[in-house]
Amino acid sequence: DAGVIQSPRHEVTEMGQEVTLRCKPISGHDYLFWYRQTMMRGLELLIYFNNNVPIDDSGMPEDRFSAKMPNASFSTLKIQPSEPRDSAVYFCAITPAGLSSGRNEQFFGPGTRLTVL
Amino acid sequence: AQKVTQAQTEISVVEKEDVTLDCVYETRDTTYYLFWYKQPPSGELVFLIRRNSFDEQNEISGRYSWNFQKSTSSFNFTITASQVVDSAVYFCALSEARRAGNMLTFGGGTRLMVKP
Repeated sequence: DAGVIQSPRHEVTEMGQEVTLRCKPISGHDYLFWYRQTMMRGLELLIYFNNNVPIDDSGMPEDRFSAKMPNASFSTLKIQPSEPRDSAVYFCAITPAGLSSGRNEQFFGPGTRLTVL
Repeated sequence: AQKVTQAQTEISVVEKEDVTLDCVYETRDTTYYLFWYKQPPSGELVFLIRRNSFDEQNEISGRYSWNFQKSTSSFNFTITASQVVDSAVYFCALSEARRAGNMLTFGGGTRLMVKP
Protein backbone atom coordinates (compact mmCIF):
# COMPACT_ATOMS: atom_id res chain seq x y z
CA ASP A 1 0.00 0.00 0.00
CA ALA A 2 1.17 3.47 -0.85
CA GLY A 3 1.34 5.65 2.23
CA VAL A 4 1.72 9.32 2.96
CA ILE A 5 2.32 11.00 6.29
CA GLN A 6 1.31 14.60 6.77
CA SER A 7 2.10 16.87 9.65
CA PRO A 8 0.75 18.60 11.51
CA ARG A 9 -2.76 17.15 11.34
CA HIS A 10 -4.22 20.37 12.68
CA GLU A 11 -2.78 23.87 12.67
CA VAL A 12 -4.29 27.00 14.10
CA THR A 13 -2.43 30.22 13.52
CA GLU A 14 -2.98 33.93 13.39
CA MET A 15 -3.15 36.01 10.28
CA GLY A 16 0.27 37.09 9.12
CA GLN A 17 2.12 34.12 10.54
CA GLU A 18 4.17 31.72 8.45
CA VAL A 19 2.75 28.21 8.12
CA THR A 20 4.66 25.16 6.94
CA LEU A 21 2.86 21.94 6.06
CA ARG A 22 4.84 18.74 5.67
CA CYS A 23 4.42 15.64 3.57
CA LYS A 24 6.41 12.45 3.85
CA PRO A 25 5.76 9.66 1.35
CA ILE A 26 6.57 6.29 2.86
CA SER A 27 6.58 4.35 -0.40
CA GLY A 28 8.11 4.78 -3.83
CA HIS A 29 6.44 7.29 -6.06
CA ASP A 30 6.84 9.16 -9.33
CA TYR A 31 4.57 12.08 -8.63
CA LEU A 32 3.68 14.09 -5.58
CA PHE A 33 0.70 16.45 -5.47
CA TRP A 34 -0.52 19.15 -3.11
CA TYR A 35 -4.27 19.83 -2.99
CA ARG A 36 -6.46 22.22 -1.07
CA GLN A 37 -10.03 21.41 -0.12
CA THR A 38 -12.64 23.97 0.89
CA MET A 39 -16.41 23.90 0.98
CA MET A 40 -16.64 26.65 -1.59
CA ARG A 41 -14.10 25.43 -4.13
CA GLY A 42 -13.90 21.71 -3.53
CA LEU A 43 -10.61 19.94 -4.26
CA GLU A 44 -8.06 22.12 -6.02
CA LEU A 45 -4.68 21.00 -7.29
CA LEU A 46 -2.04 23.47 -6.15
CA ILE A 47 1.20 22.01 -7.49
CA TYR A 48 2.76 18.71 -8.42
CA PHE A 49 6.27 17.29 -8.63
CA ASN A 50 7.78 14.60 -10.80
CA ASN A 51 10.93 13.01 -9.43
CA ASN A 52 11.24 15.91 -6.99
CA VAL A 53 11.02 18.57 -9.73
CA PRO A 54 8.04 20.99 -9.72
CA ILE A 55 6.16 20.50 -12.97
CA ASP A 56 3.01 22.59 -12.73
CA ASP A 57 2.38 25.22 -10.08
CA SER A 58 -0.39 27.03 -11.93
CA GLY A 59 -2.80 26.15 -9.15
CA MET A 60 -0.84 27.97 -6.48
CA PRO A 61 -3.11 30.85 -5.59
CA GLU A 62 -0.58 33.57 -4.88
CA ASP A 63 3.06 34.31 -4.29
CA ARG A 64 2.40 33.77 -0.62
CA PHE A 65 2.34 30.04 -1.37
CA SER A 66 5.50 28.09 -2.10
CA ALA A 67 6.32 24.39 -2.23
CA LYS A 68 9.56 22.46 -2.18
CA MET A 69 10.66 18.89 -2.52
CA PRO A 70 14.30 18.64 -1.43
CA ASN A 71 14.29 14.85 -1.76
CA ALA A 72 12.01 11.96 -2.64
CA SER A 73 10.95 11.49 0.97
CA PHE A 74 9.91 14.98 1.90
CA SER A 75 7.93 17.94 0.64
CA THR A 76 6.75 21.17 2.21
CA LEU A 77 4.03 23.67 1.42
CA LYS A 78 4.61 27.08 2.94
CA ILE A 79 2.25 30.01 3.29
CA GLN A 80 3.82 33.32 4.22
CA PRO A 81 2.06 35.42 5.35
CA SER A 82 -1.08 33.43 6.05
CA GLU A 83 -4.56 34.90 5.71
CA PRO A 84 -7.97 33.73 6.99
CA ARG A 85 -9.01 32.74 3.47
CA ASP A 86 -6.22 30.17 3.45
CA SER A 87 -8.18 28.13 5.98
CA ALA A 88 -8.74 24.74 4.38
CA VAL A 89 -7.68 21.12 4.47
CA TYR A 90 -4.43 20.57 2.60
CA PHE A 91 -3.78 17.13 1.17
CA CYS A 92 -0.61 15.58 -0.13
CA ALA A 93 -0.96 12.69 -2.59
CA ILE A 94 1.36 10.40 -4.50
CA THR A 95 1.19 8.02 -7.41
CA PRO A 96 3.12 4.77 -7.18
CA ALA A 97 6.42 4.50 -9.00
CA GLY A 98 6.79 2.72 -12.28
CA LEU A 99 3.41 3.16 -13.94
CA SER A 100 2.78 5.32 -16.96
CA SER A 101 1.06 8.63 -17.15
CA GLY A 102 -2.61 9.09 -16.51
CA ARG A 103 -3.51 5.62 -15.43
CA ASN A 104 -2.42 5.88 -11.87
CA GLU A 105 -4.63 6.30 -8.91
CA GLN A 106 -3.39 8.80 -6.39
CA PHE A 107 -3.04 7.88 -2.75
CA PHE A 108 -3.76 10.65 -0.33
CA GLY A 109 -2.37 11.51 3.04
CA PRO A 110 -4.73 12.24 5.94
CA GLY A 111 -4.59 15.98 5.34
CA THR A 112 -3.71 19.01 7.44
CA ARG A 113 -6.61 21.12 8.65
CA LEU A 114 -5.41 24.72 8.68
CA THR A 115 -7.28 27.47 10.46
CA VAL A 116 -6.04 31.02 10.13
CA LEU A 117 -7.64 33.40 12.61
CA ALA B 1 -11.10 20.74 -21.67
CA GLN B 2 -11.74 18.04 -19.14
CA LYS B 3 -14.61 18.29 -16.70
CA VAL B 4 -16.35 16.04 -14.20
CA THR B 5 -19.90 16.71 -13.06
CA GLN B 6 -21.60 15.14 -10.09
CA ALA B 7 -25.06 16.64 -10.27
CA GLN B 8 -26.24 15.18 -6.97
CA THR B 9 -24.75 17.29 -4.21
CA GLU B 10 -26.49 15.37 -1.44
CA ILE B 11 -28.41 12.11 -1.20
CA SER B 12 -30.17 10.71 1.83
CA VAL B 13 -31.31 7.11 2.04
CA VAL B 14 -32.43 4.69 4.69
CA GLU B 15 -30.23 1.76 5.52
CA LYS B 16 -30.59 -1.24 3.17
CA GLU B 17 -31.74 0.89 0.29
CA ASP B 18 -29.80 0.81 -2.97
CA VAL B 19 -28.35 4.11 -4.09
CA THR B 20 -26.67 5.26 -7.31
CA LEU B 21 -24.25 8.15 -7.48
CA ASP B 22 -24.02 9.77 -10.89
CA CYS B 23 -20.86 10.95 -12.62
CA VAL B 24 -20.68 12.55 -16.06
CA TYR B 25 -17.39 13.53 -17.62
CA GLU B 26 -16.09 15.52 -20.57
CA THR B 27 -12.84 14.90 -22.35
CA ARG B 28 -11.40 15.19 -25.82
CA ASP B 29 -8.90 12.46 -25.18
CA THR B 30 -9.55 8.96 -26.50
CA THR B 31 -7.53 7.40 -23.69
CA TYR B 32 -8.49 8.37 -20.20
CA TYR B 33 -9.05 6.96 -16.76
CA LEU B 34 -11.90 7.36 -14.33
CA PHE B 35 -11.74 7.05 -10.58
CA TRP B 36 -13.97 7.04 -7.54
CA TYR B 37 -12.82 8.15 -4.12
CA LYS B 38 -14.59 8.03 -0.77
CA GLN B 39 -14.15 10.69 1.91
CA PRO B 40 -15.68 9.53 5.20
CA PRO B 41 -16.38 11.95 8.07
CA SER B 42 -12.85 11.38 9.35
CA GLY B 43 -11.63 13.32 6.31
CA GLU B 44 -9.19 11.07 4.49
CA LEU B 45 -9.62 10.36 0.78
CA VAL B 46 -9.82 6.66 0.04
CA PHE B 47 -9.30 5.28 -3.45
CA LEU B 48 -12.10 2.92 -4.54
CA ILE B 49 -11.68 2.11 -8.21
CA ARG B 50 -9.96 3.01 -11.47
CA ARG B 51 -11.45 2.37 -14.88
CA ASN B 52 -9.76 2.63 -18.31
CA SER B 53 -11.56 4.23 -21.25
CA PHE B 54 -11.01 1.16 -23.40
CA ASP B 55 -12.61 -1.21 -20.93
CA GLU B 56 -16.35 -0.74 -20.59
CA GLN B 57 -16.91 -3.87 -18.59
CA ASN B 58 -18.86 -3.15 -15.47
CA GLU B 59 -17.31 -4.05 -12.18
CA ILE B 60 -18.70 -5.39 -8.93
CA SER B 61 -16.93 -5.49 -5.61
CA GLY B 62 -19.11 -6.70 -2.80
CA ARG B 63 -21.94 -4.21 -2.36
CA TYR B 64 -20.28 -1.75 -4.74
CA SER B 65 -20.73 -1.75 -8.50
CA TRP B 66 -19.71 0.62 -11.24
CA ASN B 67 -21.43 1.20 -14.59
CA PHE B 68 -19.19 2.76 -17.24
CA GLN B 69 -20.93 3.90 -20.44
CA LYS B 70 -18.87 5.76 -23.00
CA SER B 71 -21.93 6.50 -25.11
CA THR B 72 -23.28 8.75 -22.37
CA SER B 73 -19.89 9.70 -20.85
CA SER B 74 -21.00 8.39 -17.51
CA PHE B 75 -19.37 6.38 -14.77
CA ASN B 76 -22.01 5.74 -12.15
CA PHE B 77 -21.50 4.11 -8.79
CA THR B 78 -24.12 1.96 -7.08
CA ILE B 79 -24.14 0.83 -3.48
CA THR B 80 -26.45 -2.09 -2.85
CA ALA B 81 -28.06 -2.54 0.55
CA SER B 82 -26.51 0.63 1.91
CA GLN B 83 -25.16 0.76 5.44
CA VAL B 84 -24.58 3.62 7.84
CA VAL B 85 -20.83 3.19 7.35
CA ASP B 86 -21.30 4.13 3.71
CA SER B 87 -22.09 7.68 4.79
CA ALA B 88 -19.41 9.83 3.20
CA VAL B 89 -18.68 12.22 0.39
CA TYR B 90 -17.91 10.42 -2.85
CA PHE B 91 -15.78 11.97 -5.57
CA CYS B 92 -15.54 10.99 -9.20
CA ALA B 93 -12.34 11.98 -11.02
CA LEU B 94 -10.84 11.92 -14.51
CA SER B 95 -7.26 11.62 -15.74
CA GLU B 96 -6.24 12.03 -19.37
CA ALA B 97 -3.37 10.01 -20.80
CA ARG B 98 -2.13 12.84 -23.00
CA ARG B 99 -1.65 15.20 -20.11
CA ALA B 100 1.71 15.21 -18.46
CA GLY B 101 1.73 13.72 -15.06
CA ASN B 102 -1.18 12.00 -13.44
CA MET B 103 -3.33 15.03 -12.89
CA LEU B 104 -6.82 14.33 -11.68
CA THR B 105 -9.84 16.49 -12.34
CA PHE B 106 -12.36 15.98 -9.57
CA GLY B 107 -16.09 16.40 -9.56
CA GLY B 108 -17.71 18.42 -6.83
CA GLY B 109 -18.60 15.36 -4.81
CA THR B 110 -21.85 13.77 -3.64
CA ARG B 111 -22.58 13.64 0.07
CA LEU B 112 -24.33 10.38 0.90
CA MET B 113 -26.16 10.08 4.19
CA VAL B 114 -27.39 6.64 5.17
CA LYS B 115 -29.81 6.74 8.05
CA PRO B 116 -30.50 3.75 10.30
